[in-house]
Amino acid sequence: GNSVTQMEGPVTLSEEAFLTINCTYTATGYPSLFWYVQYPGEGLQLLLKATKADDKGSNKGFEATYRKETTSFHLEKGSVQVSDSAVYFCALGQGYNQGGKLIFGQGTELSVKP
Amino acid sequence: DGGITQSPKYLFRKEGQNVTLSCEQNLNHDAMYWYRQDPGQGLRLIYYSQIVNDFQKGDIAEGYSVSREKKESFPLTVTSAQKNPTAFYLCASSFGRQGRETQYFGPGTRLLVL
Repeated sequence: GNSVTQMEGPVTLSEEAFLTINCTYTATGYPSLFWYVQYPGEGLQLLLKATKADDKGSNKGFEATYRKETTSFHLEKGSVQVSDSAVYFCALGQGYNQGGKLIFGQGTELSVKP
Repeated sequence: DGGITQSPKYLFRKEGQNVTLSCEQNLNHDAMYWYRQDPGQGLRLIYYSQIVNDFQKGDIAEGYSVSREKKESFPLTVTSAQKNPTAFYLCASSFGRQGRETQYFGPGTRLLVL
């Protein structure tokens, strides 16, 4: 079946450091891929998404490129801020026959120190 | 403002008691979803509904029930058969059901057992 694997956390960085959170997936067909962010005690918010191979999603300085050849969708940011501290989830969208459901990775907690 | 509301923010359940979590959206979305989040884990799908008066079981439906009598409402009942209900519950909705659409999340309900 379809699945998503994320790098384990927590990840601790200093402000202005470079961020990479790895995400790989297993799926049939051409699923859409998403990154969601969850701040403490809140629901999830969409950070970015890509719907086909080689698409790059970007938002708030974060980027991820849909790489079909490596089945990956790694999240990157060139210079993190303290306000980026949160839990990040990679997700895969399943098709109509499966109700458009999302499969989530286990989440990666990011802590940015000043 | 359009969005998803969940209530209550905190809910306490006694042994043998059924409790109902509310989820309402005014985004005119067809699809709605219930997820359970446990500490340090990703989200697991409980139930989903693609259209009014229809819903399907997700990966962990045992001990839960739902209804979808109105487009904007998708309440979740945690029954006494759910032996480990303590978790953070998230409701989401999306405009389409193809798996390419963004899911929008509510702020969540934290359920605790007395």
